Amino acid sequence: NAGVTQTPKFQVLKTGQSMTLQCAQDMNHEYMSWYRQDPGMGLRLIHYSVGAGITDQGEVPNGYNVSRSTTEDFPLRLLSAAPSQTSVYFCASTRGGEQYFGPGTRLTVT
Amino acid sequence: DAKTTQPPSMDCAEGRAANLPCNHSTISGNEYVYWYRQIHSQGPQYIIHGLKNNETNEMASLIITEDRKSSTLILPHATLRDTAVYYCIVRVNRNFGNEKLTFGTGTRLTIIP
Repeated sequence: NAGVTQTPKFQVLKTGQSMTLQCAQDMNHEYMSWYRQDPGMGLRLIHYSVGAGITDQGEVPNGYNVSRSTTEDFPLRLLSAAPSQTSVYFCASTRGGEQYFGPGTRLTVT
Repeated sequence: DAKTTQPPSMDCAEGRAANLPCNHSTISGNEYVYWYRQIHSQGPQYIIHGLKNNETNEMASLIITEDRKSSTLILPHATLRDTAVYYCIVRVNRNFGNEKLTFGTGTRLTIIP
């Protein structure tokens, strides 16, 4: 049982580039979320999904897209990277209030 | 959701029990107490949660006072790997998928060899 996995662990992008952060879980959880964490701050919700085919915006959705074609996978796409998107990104899946986080992707946009 | 108050930092000797307090004096009757921790550069890790009864799992014990206004997370035999920031969160027990998870500033626990 791998739990929640994220790839890549580290990424450097130039301003304007696009990329996809991958997230997968093998716990058959319906709820999945993406957060970003900036230095010294808490987690901020970007997008979430309540099941395959259903997604919705969180607190800071601008500049990001998500899709949920399967229960297992919930990729996050950066459309045109900006320096303000430099952060650590965490994916999570949820069961009954218990949230399980992936190891994170550390993204730097130059 | 009720707010929580935690000490900013604590030290504990390796092998001893670490007792982390949390005050939540405005907790509502349907709100649970959750504990998470975040080891440096890693994703937050769920530890335990409870409503009013004491709870224990393989990681920790949670003691909630009878009036539910405070709680204590107990790590029975702290190891160096328990060094982390510990967050006490008070929430209604529902899926967090569509709600911001507010971690606050937590308690930075340092386990001393």
